[in-house]
Amino acid sequence: DAGVTQSPTHLIKTRGQHVTLRCSPISGHKSVSWYQQVLGQGPQFIFQYYEKEERGRGNFPDRFSARQFPNYSSELNVNALLLGDSALYLCASSSGTTEGTEAFFGQGTRLTVV
Amino acid sequence: AQSVTQPDIHITVSEGASLELRCNYSYGATPYLFWYVQSPGQGLQLLLKYFSGDTLVQGIKGFEAEFKRSQSSFNLRKPSVHWSDAAEYFCAVRNQAGTALIFGKGTTLSVSS
Repeated sequence: DAGVTQSPTHLIKTRGQHVTLRCSPISGHKSVSWYQQVLGQGPQFIFQYYEKEERGRGNFPDRFSARQFPNYSSELNVNALLLGDSALYLCASSSGTTEGTEAFFGQGTRLTVV
Repeated sequence: AQSVTQPDIHITVSEGASLELRCNYSYGATPYLFWYVQSPGQGLQLLLKYFSGDTLVQGIKGFEAEFKRSQSSFNLRKPSVHWSDAAEYFCAVRNQAGTALIFGKGTTLSVSS
């Protein structure tokens, strides 16, 4: 079975541009979460979606948005990119949203803003 | 507020020696705790998790962790480290809303020969 897949694996953008990152969850998983991992830090929670609805949002500016599609895949959008948005963006999928549910992570998308 | 502290930024262990990585959490109720490992440029792989029951949990790759409520700790251990264990290790607790994992800043493990 395929794990969580993210695309692209790497990309370079210029300040002020917009970026879209994509995530396909494990088959049968209905929940997708996004995390930002700045170099040398632990992942920081951005969003959780379950059944196409936003269930949780971390402390990120409105430049960050996301959505989940009927096939449970998800997009993370970031507008007006700043140098500080350079990070590894991780997607995680899980079967549900209860506290004990295990999250499976993708390989991440490495975003560099220049 | 929930939080996770990993006191050690970097640890070096000789191959074959034992390992203990420390993790302290702040959480009001029964915590759901996790240890993840991340190799350079890779995503996160779950090593083990604690939800309830036996406070000593076994994970993959020979790792184990012990939950100690009185110390608010969930330390990761391995009796004999292999060179392939060199990686970044993250402790995490699920938030009370169940919507997110709260991670520590991680501990980098180096293995010397």
